[in-house]
Amino acid sequence: ETVMTQSPATLSVSAGERATLSCRASQSVGDNLAWYQQRPGQAPRLLIYGASTRATGIPARFSGSGSGTEFTLTISSLQSEDFAVYYCQQYRNWLTFGQGTKVEIK
Amino acid sequence: QLQLQESGPGLVKPSETLSLTCTVSGGSISSSSYYWGWIRQPPGKGLEWIGSIYYSGSTYYNPSLKSRVTISVDTSKKQFSLKLSSVTAADTGVFYCARQSKGLRLGELDYWGQGTLVTVSS
Repeated sequence: ETVMTQSPATLSVSAGERATLSCRASQSVGDNLAWYQQRPGQAPRLLIYGASTRATGIPARFSGSGSGTEFTLTISSLQSEDFAVYYCQQYRNWLTFGQGTKVEIK
Repeated sequence: QLQLQESGPGLVKPSETLSLTCTVSGGSISSSSYYWGWIRQPPGKGLEWIGSIYYSGSTYYNPSLKSRVTISVDTSKKQFSLKLSSVTAADTGVFYCARQSKGLRLGELDYWGQGTLVTVSS
């Protein structure tokens, strides 16, 4: 099983600031990596796939980078609606998710 | 706009079988470009992939759940279904159905249902 580890568990950021979330895979997943946003009481929403491609309708302030075992999701200027939990997910070896990073208001 | 909707009992007794159905609307379940998947989320915890199915009936299961999971598809009804047997309280959670891209392998999950809470309790 490919274990996905996200850091930090919680990120406290002020609106308008930059947020950087990390995701590490226990073995190489190439660029088979997606990021999801989950707001309270809602289903996850696909943000990024292929490690760096924004999904349809996702604002440009969201960007993904990395390959192999190290990945990053960057939110360039946090808006109020961006405070949520973010999950990475690999699909190179079946599907596994990270444990999530909660982005909260500082 | 593609929509997915989960349905099924919200309460299941321990040792019994959990059964859920996902109905797809606004698009084709028989597209060659997609799988259809089930994901679950225990209360306050993270996401776990359960398994996925292609419209032809080919299935892919999480190895940790494989012995208890059956996923099937009914293209005429635009539905796919999940059965999870021998449930315990640890199976309590929100169950989501989702559309999954198909490339060389299973892909990302781009459309999700709203989720349905299933509680395992006597």
